[in-house]
Amino acid sequence: DTEVTQTPKHLVMGMTNKKSLKCEQHMGHRAMYWYKQKAKKPPELMFVYSYEKLSINESVPSRFSPECPNSSLLNLHLHALQPEDSALYLCASSRTGLDTQYFGPGTRLTVL
Amino acid sequence: AQSVTQLDSHVSVSEGTPVLLRCNYSSSYSPSLFWYVQHPNKGLQLLLKYTSAATLVKGINGFEAEFKKSETSFHLTKPSAHMSDAAEYFCVVTRGNSGGYQKVTFGIGTKLQVIP
Repeated sequence: DTEVTQTPKHLVMGMTNKKSLKCEQHMGHRAMYWYKQKAKKPPELMFVYSYEKLSINESVPSRFSPECPNSSLLNLHLHALQPEDSALYLCASSRTGLDTQYFGPGTRLTVL
Repeated sequence: AQSVTQLDSHVSVSEGTPVLLRCNYSSSYSPSLFWYVQHPNKGLQLLLKYTSAATLVKGINGFEAEFKKSETSFHLTKPSAHMSDAAEYFCVVTRGNSGGYQKVTFGIGTKLQVIP
């Protein structure tokens, strides 16, 4: 089983809203990732969690707040987003930080 | 430093004809190389990966890629295109670092169009 699930599939939010994206995997992977993908562009790494600890933050604005409550779950909390934050947000996981990454289907976020 | 160059942003083939998507890489270390496919509004699906074993790598859905160190290339091929192959394809290079993480570099993507 190489499945990473993400909810919701689509999210529309206003600039004053607070929302969360959820990512889950049950493959026993200990590294999890958040990527942002704009239209017609490759994914851009945002955060890396390894063994439930934040390992890499690619200078992401504080309006994006990641959380890893346990080894299977990764959240991305959103607050006071801007319209330019509208994108496909992809979650990925890998056995360790050095192994192949498996991606979820993404959450399509629209900020009005 | 490492980089990935996908030489074509858009490739168009007729159904049943061969597919060639080109990728060149640059890496100071022995890299791992991947091809991912992304269908519209979907996540990325791993097609195949090269990790210093056999230079000809077979993937899913009839795709394969050959690692050529002398040419620093990792081109993706398929003998016969199917309509369902129409998608965006990303070439990816990774290498481990001392911190225990991969440095992951994506190519810009190649959009494959399959004409009936």
